[in-house]
Amino acid sequence: DVKVTQSSRYLVKRTGEKVFLECVQDMDHENMFWYRQDPGLGLRLIYFSYDVKMKEKGDIPEGYSVSREKKERFSLILESASTNQTSMYLCASSFASEQYFGPGTRLTVT
Amino acid sequence: GNSVTQMEGPVTLSEEAFLTINCTYTATGYPSLFWYVQYPGEGLQLLLKATKADDKGSNKGFEATYRKETTSFHLEKGSVQVSDSAVYFCALKGGSEKLVFGKGTKLTVNP
Repeated sequence: DVKVTQSSRYLVKRTGEKVFLECVQDMDHENMFWYRQDPGLGLRLIYFSYDVKMKEKGDIPEGYSVSREKKERFSLILESASTNQTSMYLCASSFASEQYFGPGTRLTVT
Repeated sequence: GNSVTQMEGPVTLSEEAFLTINCTYTATGYPSLFWYVQYPGEGLQLLLKATKADDKGSNKGFEATYRKETTSFHLEKGSVQVSDSAVYFCALKGGSEKLVFGKGTKLTVNP
């Protein structure tokens, strides 16, 4: 069974903290993605990776970075969290055009 | 660039009612089209897809037909159930691996 897991379902951080969101897939997929989901805005792509150590900016990369040291793991990093980064973060991996999503991490920055 | 426009919600229906959620797209070339569903507290999962014009995707009683002439991919179900309550996203995939999503339509089905 296809599985994408995210390290936390809920996370509360303070403004200025460095935040790591982890995503792991067990399907040996080349492509992995990070989105944020906000009411009325749908899903917006932050970054994606098409191979180990390869990354490409999405539509809203500002304030975020990513790391992909192993094929199965794709990390999203908020270098200095701000309140406008309070959101639901979704990770996905893809094969043959279908994307498989994790359950999401609801991040609150206070 | 590529874009997807879907009807704004929320949509509230009674059980066994007919459902249509409209989706239109703008794209160069021949995109693949998708409907994803997000149940409360979960991530998105693929509901159905179509990869070329006139293809019909179907799953769990839902259907959508890829209409190139009207650049549309409307989602339909003949008789909705309470368990269909969720947020539905239309999406397209162009030449890269990236998906472009609509803003989502929240459906609530009352018993």
